[in-house]
Amino acid sequence: EAGVTQSPRYAVLQEGQAVSFWCDPISGHDTLYWYQQPRDQGPQLLVYFRDEAVIDNSQLPSDRFSAVRPKGTNSTLKIQSAKQGDTATYLCASSFGGSQNTLYFGAGTRLSVL
Amino acid sequence: GDSVTQTEGLVTLTKGLPVMLNCTYQTTYSPFLFWYVQHLNEAPKLLLKSSTDNKRTEHQGFYATLHKSSSSFHLQKSSVQLSDSALYFCALSDLSGSFNKLTFGAGTRLAVCP
Repeated sequence: EAGVTQSPRYAVLQEGQAVSFWCDPISGHDTLYWYQQPRDQGPQLLVYFRDEAVIDNSQLPSDRFSAVRPKGTNSTLKIQSAKQGDTATYLCASSFGGSQNTLYFGAGTRLSVL
Repeated sequence: GDSVTQTEGLVTLTKGLPVMLNCTYQTTYSPFLFWYVQHLNEAPKLLLKSSTDNKRTEHQGFYATLHKSSSSFHLQKSSVQLSDSALYFCALSDLSGSFNKLTFGAGTRLAVCP
């Protein structure tokens, strides 16, 4: 079974530049999560979707970050104008419904903002 | 809100020794606890999960028991191997919601030496 696929694996930007991260969840998984993992910290939830609908984006810095999942499958997370404080690994995870179902994570995109 | 505390940032051990990684949590809801393991440059993977009070759960030689009285879910192994070197995260969800929205601890890095 294919896992969660993320691209790119690495990104290096100057402050003010834009970047997009792409996630392909496990086939059939209706729920998709984006987490931000700063260096030496645990992942922190940014946004999650059920199918194409945003369920909770309250932790997403809305002035610069956006996330979409237009067909309820793949998802894109975009940073409009990156800051040094955005340096982190961005993890995508998917699951099939339910509060007791396991989250499966991708390997992440490691972002460095100079 | 929910929170998870992992007190050790780094644990260094010699192969063959036992290990316990601490995890305590705070929530006002019925807790569901997880341990994820993340090897270098890989995705976090589920190691253990439990929502049953005072019942030991085991996987791949690791085990943990959820103790609601002390809000703890410590991870243990009787004899660590070199391949156990990784970052270990404790995470919390609650059974009241419709989604598995995880709150992670800061993580404990386990380094096993020959």
